Amino acid sequence: DVVMTQTPVSLSVSLGGQVSISCRSSQSLVHNNGNTYLSWYLQKPGQSPQLLIYKVSNRFSGISDRFSGSGSGTDFTLKISRVEPDDLGVYYCGQGTQYPDTFGAGTKLELK
Amino acid sequence: EVQLQESGPGLVKPSQSLSLTCSVTGYSITSNYWGWIRKFPGNKMEWMGYISYSGSTSYNPSLKSRISITRDTSKNQFFLQLNSVTTEDTATYYCAKGRDPDYWGQGVMVTVSS
Repeated sequence: DVVMTQTPVSLSVSLGGQVSISCRSSQSLVHNNGNTYLSWYLQKPGQSPQLLIYKVSNRFSGISDRFSGSGSGTDFTLKISRVEPDDLGVYYCGQGTQYPDTFGAGTKLELK
Repeated sequence: EVQLQESGPGLVKPSQSLSLTCSVTGYSITSNYWGWIRKFPGNKMEWMGYISYSGSTSYNPSLKSRISITRDTSKNQFFLQLNSVTTEDTATYYCAKGRDPDYWGQGVMVTVSS
């Protein structure tokens, strides 16, 4: 299985600040069809996960442009700018290129 | 608006089967992919499998001998059955839409305990 390694495990941020979360895969996530199926999710306290970014850099409907995804191959990054209270929770990366789909262990974003 | 809602027992005895239902509104399950994902205590998430718009299925090999995902298109529902459960199957179970899940149910916490 593809191992997704997220760093850091936790992150403290001041409101209005900027943070980056890294996700590295143990194998290339470039599919035979040329797409890279790397997604980012946020699970807020008491809620189910929500899709933020799909195929590396595409924001899902309704997601603020304060969230941006980048990367290629095996290295990917989620950046959050102008952090707001509603951004707090656990962030996961996930891949759907290699069978079976796998997720990172999560990065907890907390207020400083 | 697409909505998914899981239902099923919150407590299952070891060695028994876990059965959950996902009821979908706002979107036909004869389109797209419909999956089950679980989150263990401590945050680890595991993709369990999906059923496609055509009814074909794909399962995580770690579960392949124990898992079955089926559907009832007349009710716009799909189902999870996990056999021979152990305490290690204690988790919150989510149903979700899409291969990059864009809509998720609220989740149902299932405890395996005698």
